[in-house]
Amino acid sequence: AQKITQTQPGMFVQEKEAVTLDCTYDTSDPSYGLFWYKQPSSGEMIFLIYQGSYDQQNATEGRYSLNFQKARKSANLVISASQLGDSAMYFCAMREGTGGFKTIFGAGTRLFVKA
Amino acid sequence: DTEVTQTPKHLVMGMTNKKSLKCEQHMGHRAMYWYKQKAKKPPELMFVYSYEKLSINESVPSRFSPECPNSSLLNLHLHALQPEDSALYLCASSQVSSLPLGNTIYFGEGSWLTVV
Repeated sequence: AQKITQTQPGMFVQEKEAVTLDCTYDTSDPSYGLFWYKQPSSGEMIFLIYQGSYDQQNATEGRYSLNFQKARKSANLVISASQLGDSAMYFCAMREGTGGFKTIFGAGTRLFVKA
Repeated sequence: DTEVTQTPKHLVMGMTNKKSLKCEQHMGHRAMYWYKQKAKKPPELMFVYSYEKLSINESVPSRFSPECPNSSLLNLHLHALQPEDSALYLCASSQVSSLPLGNTIYFGEGSWLTVV
C-alpha cells in the first residue's frame, strides 16, 4: 500500500535562509508521481512542484526544488531564500501510476519564517 | 489566481438546513474532486467525478450529495449535517491521464463550513 510520511510537524527558518522539508514515501508501483502543496492559513492548496518516478533530474520551480533520492524513497522540498510569505502548511503527496484518481497526502509540516 | 473557484467562502448552517457548495473550474479538466479537511489534518478524498460520472465515493454519508451538472461545474449538496461535519471543503480538478503528472490536482480556495 502507498504511504507518505512527513516527520516534521513544525519548522522554523530565518528569512532569506534555505530550508528543507522532509518527505519519505513507500510504494510498490514503479510508476508514481510526487507532489508538494502549500496551504496558507486562507485555506487554498497551492501546487508547487512535481517529480515523476522516472525523471532523471530533480525538479525545480523558481525557489522550490525537490531533492529526489529514489533508492531512499525520499522527496524532500528545498525552499531557497525564504520569505515571510512562505509561512504556511506544506503537504507532500503521491499518486501511483495504477492508483487511478487517488492522491494520498502526508500529515504536513508547518513552516514558520522569522523576520 | 486560482482557476478553480468555490462559493461560498464561508457558510454557517443549522443541522436542519439544506445548503450547497459550488465549484467551477476553467482549466478544461475532465475530473473533479471534493475533499474534506479538518484542522491540522491533510485533505481526505470524498468524491471523484470523471467525465461527469461519479467515479469514486469514499463511503461518504448520504447527508452529502454530490452533483456534476457539466464538465466545469461541481456541487456538493448538504442536508441534515452534524457539528462534526464542520471543516474546510476543497474542490479540485485534474486532467484524466494515465500519467501521474497528467493527474496533478489543482485546488480551489475552499469553503469553510460551520454546522451549528
